[in-house]
Amino acid sequence: GAVVSQHPSWVICKSGTSVKIECRSLDFQATTMFWYRQFPKQSLMLMATSNEGSKATYEQGVEKDKFLINHASLTLSTLTVTSAHPEDSSFYICSAIGTASFVDYGYTFGSGTRLTVV
Amino acid sequence: AQSVSQHNHHVILSEAASLELGCNYSYGGTVNLFWYVQYPGQHLQLLLKYFSGDPLVKGIKGFEAEFIKSKFSFNLRKPSVQWSDTAEYFCAVTGSGNTGKLIFGQGTTLQVKP
Repeated sequence: GAVVSQHPSWVICKSGTSVKIECRSLDFQATTMFWYRQFPKQSLMLMATSNEGSKATYEQGVEKDKFLINHASLTLSTLTVTSAHPEDSSFYICSAIGTASFVDYGYTFGSGTRLTVV
Repeated sequence: AQSVSQHNHHVILSEAASLELGCNYSYGGTVNLFWYVQYPGQHLQLLLKYFSGDPLVKGIKGFEAEFIKSKFSFNLRKPSVQWSDTAEYFCAVTGSGNTGKLIFGQGTTLQVKP
């Protein structure tokens, strides 16, 4: 099947520091990856869409300088939360699709990263 | 505007009861529809999807959904729920042939009492 691995599962960082979250497609080439944020008891809010080798497209209201997304290869995308503040504490989830895998698997999701900024 | 609406926010059922979770969408053009499940502490898993063809779609774990185009609906059903079905359920839509962003409903929390 189409598997997406996301690391770390949880991270605690100090306010003002940066945190990098990785999202890897393990058994397929991810032409597009998506980054979501999920608040407790709420749905997923799309933050940005990234295509391999090009700049990410951010949703309205998402600060691109704060949430840096890099999709340098067909199997890896990273989200870096820069100068993190307590209000950035949340659950971040990545999703990936591949041209070959989409018909069978649709969008595949990572297990999420719980970020706590203290 | 493109949107997905899930009518039931919190559903409580006893084991063996039948389940139907409502999902309506607003989206111009033909669509791809999905139901995802998120078990406590786990990632989203695909329950079933509709791209085209038979509007009655069967998924994993005994779930099925019916696409009714005239009603812009894609309701999820299961004849007999189990305690292990306790989870968060999300309906989502994207444009047909479009591998762009997925629009999610607000989710439904299902609690199954043993």
